[in-house]
Amino acid sequence: EIVLTQSPGTLSLSPGERATFSCRASQSVSHRYLAWYQQKPGQAPRLFIYGASSRATGIPERFSGSGSGTDFTLTISRLEPEDFAVYYCQQYGSSPWTFGQGTKVEIK
Amino acid sequence: QVQLVESGGGLVKPGGSLRLSCAASGFSFSDYYMNWVRQAPGKGLEWLSYISGSSTTIYYAHSVRGRFTVSRDNAKNSLYLQVNSLRAEDTAVYYCARAVSAVGLDSWGQGTLVTVSS
Repeated sequence: EIVLTQSPGTLSLSPGERATFSCRASQSVSHRYLAWYQQKPGQAPRLFIYGASSRATGIPERFSGSGSGTDFTLTISRLEPEDFAVYYCQQYGSSPWTFGQGTKVEIK
Repeated sequence: QVQLVESGGGLVKPGGSLRLSCAASGFSFSDYYMNWVRQAPGKGLEWLSYISGSSTTIYYAHSVRGRFTVSRDNAKNSLYLQVNSLRAEDTAVYYCARAVSAVGLDSWGQGTLVTVSS
């Protein structure tokens, strides 16, 4: 089973700042099948990034994903008020699929 | 548009069972792998299981293998999760989600809450 470790656990930033957070896998993620999801309180998760770097439908260009192998990064170029949420990475290249524990982006 | 609606959650005693359902609409249900994911209160997401469109491929997380059973009825556009031998740590919101090849989980329901307590 691939274990995903996200860091940091919490990121405290102000609107307009750049956010960068990491997802590290215990083994190489096949085919770069790494996704990022955003979740707000009381809501279901929403797919933001798939295939490590492709934006899902309707996701703004300020969101970008990168990485391969065992190291992946999600970057938000300039934080908007609606971006403050929890972000999870997930690998779907090897079964069982697994999620990271999440990074919370909070308003400073 | 794609819609997934879970039902069947509730309060159950330790050792009890439930059958969760997910009604799908707005897409060709039988063409997609479907998944169950859960989230304990205040915790992160935990992937539980997937089932292929024809039900020929099924996989479970180690934590629920042997206690949970996923199934689907393509004629009814419905996904199910039979959860047995429930424990307090199974208390969570259970989501169904559609998987798109090479994309991941692109559509999610709003979840159904399962509470295991005496």
